[in-house]
Amino acid sequence: GAVVSQHPSWVICKSGTSVKIECRSLDFQATTMFWYRQFPKQSLMLMATSNEGSKATYEQGVEKDKFLINHASLTLSTLTVTSAHPEDSSFYICSARWQGAADTQYFGPGTRLTVL
Amino acid sequence: KNQVEQSPQSLIILEGKNCTLQCNYTVSPFSNLRWYKQDTGRGPVSLTIMTFSENTKSNGRYTATLDADTKQSSLHITASQLSDSASYICVVIVSGGYNKLIFGAGTRLAVHP
Repeated sequence: GAVVSQHPSWVICKSGTSVKIECRSLDFQATTMFWYRQFPKQSLMLMATSNEGSKATYEQGVEKDKFLINHASLTLSTLTVTSAHPEDSSFYICSARWQGAADTQYFGPGTRLTVL
Repeated sequence: KNQVEQSPQSLIILEGKNCTLQCNYTVSPFSNLRWYKQDTGRGPVSLTIMTFSENTKSNGRYTATLDADTKQSSLHITASQLSDSASYICVVIVSGGYNKLIFGAGTRLAVHP
């Protein structure tokens, strides 16, 4: 149980285009989902906290107009990278918070974004 | 400032050998501490979860320890296998609110035949 999926697993796009990444909790409801970015050989950096039915909370330094987050249902959150540029190339990972006994976040497998 | 520091940064061992990874933290208020394994190009997978009152927890060949007084944790890997090659991330959860995760930079382990 407690499986989180991401789609797509990798994407290559041209500079200036927008890319949407989906994060789904497959077997539990997640009122809160989190989006992380990870550069090579670095640890995960929290970008934003996504709450179902309300606006996302962004970490300092993360442009909310560039990284659009929508959490329209208890099992789906989307991250849209608008007008992507090569510096946005990174590994994007989502997690979903399970309100079980351990109050655990379960991580998705990640999405590799390459902007040409 | 909430911080998690891991050592060593990277480690190479031979298959079958044991190793221990270290994690020091300054996080308050403390909720729990977790060790994750992250394979290259994949998301982190939880290995152990330890609360304030737990000293040792095992998951197969992985054994985690926690000393809440000194704010130190370790992850011991026994009889390493080639598939253990990965990054191991120590994560401390801040109590309250959204239970924010504080990530260590990770230890990159390479197991060679």
